[in-house]
Amino acid sequence: SQQGEEDPQALSIQEGENATMNCSYKTSINNLQWYRQNSGRGLVHLILIRSNEREKHSGRLRVTLDTSKKSSSLLITASRAADTASYFCATEQGQGAQKLVFGQGTRLTINP
Amino acid sequence: NAGVTQTPKFRVLKTGQSMTLLCAQDMNHEYMYWYRQDPGMGLRLIHYSVGEGTTAKGEVPDGYNVSRLKKQNFLLGLESAAPSQTSVYFCASSTYRGGTYEQYFGPGTRLTVT
Repeated sequence: SQQGEEDPQALSIQEGENATMNCSYKTSINNLQWYRQNSGRGLVHLILIRSNEREKHSGRLRVTLDTSKKSSSLLITASRAADTASYFCATEQGQGAQKLVFGQGTRLTINP
Repeated sequence: NAGVTQTPKFRVLKTGQSMTLLCAQDMNHEYMYWYRQDPGMGLRLIHYSVGEGTTAKGEVPDGYNVSRLKKQNFLLGLESAAPSQTSVYFCASSTYRGGTYEQYFGPGTRLTVT
């Protein structure tokens, strides 16, 4: 079953605006990761946030994690046309194997 | 480094035919995974491996078999293909390093079963 549910399923904004995507999950996690997928390509890791962290930054990316609400958000600031892609959250549970459970993804379109 | 590679990139099968998808990684990663991606479903784990000679079932293993005879290779087999196995298949690998890890994905194999 899908662990993460992402909201919105699709988002279209103008270049330069900020994009926010949300992810909710159901069970306790070790960490939560965000991945990007360009059309027709494999997924690329963006950022990992551990269960004991609340916020993390990487360049134009900002990720928050609220374990009490079992939710995370990904903020992309000053969006660019190249940010057009699908974004997936993935949660790791349990011990070993580094298995990830992916959400259904948010399709982000940046309009020039 | 080539990273994670998958062959073939595209394949069309008739119902009942068999095939093997090959995944190779040159990063010396211990863990390898096979996922399928269907429209609107995200990625679902089929099988995974925590090391050479080991395999385990994921979320949707029925109809698939896997083998990891060499650390760098992870094979996914379809014994008798069904239309429900039409999907895009992704292989990934990972290792734990420096207190963190990430999964590295191949470019995918688009499989159509008619």
